Amino acid sequence: DSGVTQTPKHLITATGQRVTLRCSPRSGDLSVYWYQQSLDQGLQFLIQYYNGEERAKGNILERFSAQQFPDLHSELNLSSLELGDSALYFCASSVSPGGNYGYTFGSGTRLTVV
Amino acid sequence: AQTVTQSQPEMSVQEAETVTLSCTYDTSESDYYLFWYKQPPSRQMILVIRQEAYKQQNATENRFSVNFQKAAKSFSLKISDSQLGDAAMYFCAYRSRDDKIIFGKGTRLHILP
Repeated sequence: DSGVTQTPKHLITATGQRVTLRCSPRSGDLSVYWYQQSLDQGLQFLIQYYNGEERAKGNILERFSAQQFPDLHSELNLSSLELGDSALYFCASSVSPGGNYGYTFGSGTRLTVV
Repeated sequence: AQTVTQSQPEMSVQEAETVTLSCTYDTSESDYYLFWYKQPPSRQMILVIRQEAYKQQNATENRFSVNFQKAAKSFSLKISDSQLGDAAMYFCAYRSRDDKIIFGKGTRLHILP
């Protein structure tokens, strides 16, 4: 157990729907990062939050949004889902803003859009 | 923009042998961090080793070591005494100045018994 908790582990939904992925960072970590890993692809950075504030943004679609709450947990909202959004979504956390010591990853949420 | 390239999509090594995974990156920054992550079949991402660019000494973690060549922008991972549990996808990663960690596309490592 890495200490980063992601729920749900698996999610199957239809095109056009909206889903919310949840992440609780490791205790003491203030930064949360979201990554998308499509089949046989590397990890694509989506967005980072540090202590409740958005800190960095990657190639995140306008249909996707995220936030970090006062208790530091984060949610990634995916709307108007398309088949191509099927992927493994990782949350990671770090104690420092920039992740100098690397990230601790959760086990991911497998999203399947049908 | 920074890029990370892993030129070996797949590699195989005999159990107990040594294998080296290659990684090159492109950056104009002088101070940065590099990482190797392991993703076994469980899909969990596990940090294997990290290197600070301003340190000339190559990082080592037990059977894992790196060959960091800053001028060549090369960051290879050497796994000694390969074990069946080392079979995984290995990702090289670069931490950019704007605090994003950029990953390569990975190298799938097979361990032959």
